[in-house]
Amino acid sequence: DIQMTQSPSTLFASVGDRVTITCRASQSISSWLAWYQQKPGKAPKLLIYKASSLESGVPSRFSGSGSGTEFTLTISSLQPDDFATYYCQQCNSYPLTFGGGTKVEIK
Amino acid sequence: QVQLVESGGGLVKPGESLRLSCAASGFTFIDYQMNWIRQAPGKGLEWVSYISSSGSAIYYADSVKGRFTISRDNAKNSLCLQMNSLRAEDTAIYYCARSRSNWYDYWGQGTLVTVSS
Repeated sequence: DIQMTQSPSTLFASVGDRVTITCRASQSISSWLAWYQQKPGKAPKLLIYKASSLESGVPSRFSGSGSGTEFTLTISSLQPDDFATYYCQQCNSYPLTFGGGTKVEIK
Repeated sequence: QVQLVESGGGLVKPGESLRLSCAASGFTFIDYQMNWIRQAPGKGLEWVSYISSSGSAIYYADSVKGRFTISRDNAKNSLCLQMNSLRAEDTAIYYCARSRSNWYDYWGQGTLVTVSS
């Protein structure tokens, strides 16, 4: 199985900050990676697919990059609505697996 | 608009069974692959099962293989998960999710399954 490791597990930031979350795969997954945002009590929401493609309706302050085994999700200017938990997911092969999550909290 | 509505969750004892359903609307159900994904309380996301648009391809996580069965009824726009021999570690919110090329673009609100004696 492909293991997905996210860092950090918790991130403290302020409104307006540039935020970067890293996701590493245990083997190459090319660009088969997705990012999700989850708020408490809600289902996850797709932000990014194929490592860098922005899902329709998602603000352009979110961006994704990377390929192979190292990926990043960047929020260019953190907004109040962005405090949430973020998950990466490899879409390359079954079983599809998720990272452990990164919780973005208010500094 | 796309809607996925899960039902069937509840409190059961270890070893018992439960059947989850997901009613889909707002899109052409037969065109999409569907999945079940779960999240234990306070934990991360775990993929559980996948079914292709026609139902001809089905995959399970090792943790549920042999105990859970996924199925779909394209005439009724519905997805099901039959869960047998439930264990305490199956306690989770179960989400129904539509997939495109193995990423999940729409999720239901989830249904809570609690396995406890």
